[in-house]
Amino acid sequence: QKEVEQDPGPLSVPEGAIVSLNCTYSNSAFQYFMWYRQYSRKGPELLMYTYSSGNKEDGRFTAQVDKSSKYISLFIRDSQPSDSATYLCAMSESGGYQKVTFGTGTKLQVIP
Amino acid sequence: DAGVTQSPTHLIKTRGQQVTLRCSPKSGHDTVSWYQQALGQGPQFIFQYYEEEERQRGNFPDRFSGHQFPNYSSELNVNALLLGDSALYLCASNIRDTGELFFGEGSRLTVL
Repeated sequence: QKEVEQDPGPLSVPEGAIVSLNCTYSNSAFQYFMWYRQYSRKGPELLMYTYSSGNKEDGRFTAQVDKSSKYISLFIRDSQPSDSATYLCAMSESGGYQKVTFGTGTKLQVIP
Repeated sequence: DAGVTQSPTHLIKTRGQQVTLRCSPKSGHDTVSWYQQALGQGPQFIFQYYEEEERQRGNFPDRFSGHQFPNYSSELNVNALLLGDSALYLCASNIRDTGELFFGEGSRLTVL
């Protein structure tokens, strides 16, 4: 079993839809949770960075962490064609000096 | 403010050869990590450097080695290349006490 599980998709939605992306994990020591966006043939770009359980909002993006269920989510409101990319969840046990473990990524396509 | 820069962007090698990839971290960052991303997969942690020492290592063989220089830049060396080493090699940097990784565009290695 992988430490981090993520549905690879692809996920196709119409422009303006709310998108929900999810990951589950098995390592209860994970405390830091991240979402990255990766465009084709580019490096990952950090979208959200959260510590422990709770919600964090940044513009159209909301990240949720439920440590009791070992489940994290990223919501995208009013999705745009420019949001079409692969979304990677990632997590680590400590803040600055531990490896980050990634999911396999979910490929999202927003159709105009 | 320059982000993480990597070179070369693309390269082709044959089995058994050796390769060196280079990375300059984001300004103000002191910690550099290297990740391998195979096609359709999430990045896999190779190792992390801080204060010119390897601080943590992922599940990669000794053929993978690295170095960090006094100016925080870093190199990744891979010896005795195998076909399975074909991947996008990503460099990420962060400030030691924070886990917000910033990635470069990657070096795409093809082994023939």
